[in-house]
Amino acid sequence: GQSLEQPSEVTAVEGAIVQINCTYQTSGFYGLSWYQQHDGGAPTFLSYNALDGLEETGRFSSFLSRSDSYGYLLLQELQMKDSASYFCAVNPQGGKLIFGQGTELSVKP
Amino acid sequence: GAVVSQHPSWVICKSGTSVKIECRSLDFQATTMFWYRQFPKQSLMLMATSNEGSKATYEQGVEKDKFLINHASLTLSTLTVTSAHPEDSSFYICSARDPGRGADTQYFGPGTRLTVL
Repeated sequence: GQSLEQPSEVTAVEGAIVQINCTYQTSGFYGLSWYQQHDGGAPTFLSYNALDGLEETGRFSSFLSRSDSYGYLLLQELQMKDSASYFCAVNPQGGKLIFGQGTELSVKP
Repeated sequence: GAVVSQHPSWVICKSGTSVKIECRSLDFQATTMFWYRQFPKQSLMLMATSNEGSKATYEQGVEKDKFLINHASLTLSTLTVTSAHPEDSSFYICSARDPGRGADTQYFGPGTRLTVL
């Protein structure tokens, strides 16, 4: 089977740093992606890791450890607009994505 | 960035009717598109992989006779929900890979909210 585990919800205050973890168990693995989804909207791509290490894109960074089947998304300098659901997703083969259950991030003033 | 559109954005229909949802890649050619379904407060569930010029590949548990997929061109895939019932009410989202931007980046359409009465 294929499964991805991530926390269901996280709360933080504006300006803080938040880390959302994701562990996965899949039959194949080409990379770990992160997507953001606001209520009622479609997912938007945030980052992708195919190799071990940290990828930084502005306030967002993503990390992958293939040996540990683990990754995380790091959000810095949190803003109210960052309140959304965040999904990790694995590409097990052929470009398709298997999504985790999502982490609902609430940013408080 | 790459743009994927969906039409309609929302649809309400009576039980037993069929509904067609279109997914278009606007500024790139997509040999592969994906269809997802998402229930409220839940994750995206992959339904099928749509391949241009060939049959779609359905995920386990998805009825291919109920969810008809046609990928007639490099920029258009359609999902038809046949004989829709209230339990089919959901948010349907398509995505497409842009081969020119890396194999593992998918661009999502804005979604179609289907309500079956």
